[in-house]
Order: sequence, then structure tokens, then C-alpha cells
Amino acid sequence: KQEVTQIPAALSVPEGENLVLNCSFTDSAIYNLQWFRQDPGKGLTSLLLIQSSQREQTSGRLNASLDKSSGRSTLYIAASQPGDSATYLCAVSMANQAGTALIFGKGTTLSVSS
Amino acid sequence: DAGVIQSPRHEVTEMGQEVTLRCKPISGHDYLFWYRQTMMRGLELLIYFNNNVPIDDSGMPEDRFSAKMPNASFSTLKIQPSEPRDSAVYFCASSFSKGQPQHFGDGTRLSIL
Repeated sequence: KQEVTQIPAALSVPEGENLVLNCSFTDSAIYNLQWFRQDPGKGLTSLLLIQSSQREQTSGRLNASLDKSSGRSTLYIAASQPGDSATYLCAVSMANQAGTALIFGKGTTLSVSS
Repeated sequence: DAGVIQSPRHEVTEMGQEVTLRCKPISGHDYLFWYRQTMMRGLELLIYFNNNVPIDDSGMPEDRFSAKMPNASFSTLKIQPSEPRDSAVYFCASSFSKGQPQHFGDGTRLSIL
């Protein structure tokens, strides 16, 4: 059974720092991996999606990498801002389910202070 | 563009009552997903539909839970009878096709007293 783990559970940094959020998964037979952001009382916003054949994806100050063989992904946030404060969730879909249902980690709650 | 729309946003009801949660997916999306989020278990898939047909309901916790998708623009998740342990945030999401990004609604925060 696939398990997705995110470390750390919480992170506090001063504004301007570059930071890395970690995600690991136990079964490497994934279809793709997605990073989401969740603000309090809100739904999830998709940030980046990496297909299993890709190594990384970039969007603005965000860069996500994928090492499928080792079961790891990282989300790099450059020059963090207070507006980046949120919970970041990593989720994988499985190849044997043709990339449909997502299996989530429990998230990393990020706080960026000004 | 309208995103995924869920209603109600909040629901408080007493144990034993029937609860119906509603979802309108993004137009043109073929996949619809229902998830539940709790502090203990995080986000878990309950059921998903493809072209209005239920594909995988293995995450539905008990027979008290049922979901329908009568047409491409509407889905319901029903709990009958409700129990306090059903208290959670229920999310609906949709995607254009398999393997594409899932777009989430703002969720329904359900409290069963």
C-alpha cells in the first residue's frame, strides 16, 4: 500500500529565505506527483504536476523535483514571502490506476515571517 | 472561470440525521472525486466518477455513505444516518482527464453533534 510522508510537519522561516519541503513515497510505481497549497478554510490549489517520466517542473519561484527510483520529491521555494504561508501537500497517483485517485501526505505547514 | 462549487460550506446537524453534500464540477471535466480530510487521517479518497459512472468506491467507509452523479454537472454525497465520527471537511475535485491536475472546491465542513 502506497504511503506518502512529508517532513517536516511544520516550518518557520524569515522572509527572503530559500527553503525546501520534502516528500517521500514507498511505492515507486507512480503515474505522477502533484504539489498543492492549502490555505486555512480553503480548498487545495494545484501548484505543480510532475509526470513519472519527468525530473522537475518549475513555476515562478517554485521548483519541484522528482526522483522516482528513490521515492522522493522536493518543493523548492525561492525568496520566500509572507504570502507563501500555507500548508503544502504532496500527492501521488498510481500507474496501475492510470493516474486517477490521489494519495496524499499530511502536509508541511509553512510560516514565513516579515 | 467558475471553479468547483460545493454546497453547503458548513453543516451542523445532530447524530442520526441525513446529510447531503453537493458538488458542481468544472464544465468539461470528465473525472469527479470526493475526498475527506481529518486531522488524524489527512486527505483520503472516498469515491471517484468517470463520465458520471462510479469507478472506485473502495474508500467509502460504510454503507451509510452513498454518492451519485446523475449528470455531468452535479454530484451528491449522502450520509444516512450520520454519526459524530463523520465530522470532517469533505472536498470535491474534478479533472479534465486522467493524470491531469485535479481542481478542488472549497469543501464542506461537516459537524455531527
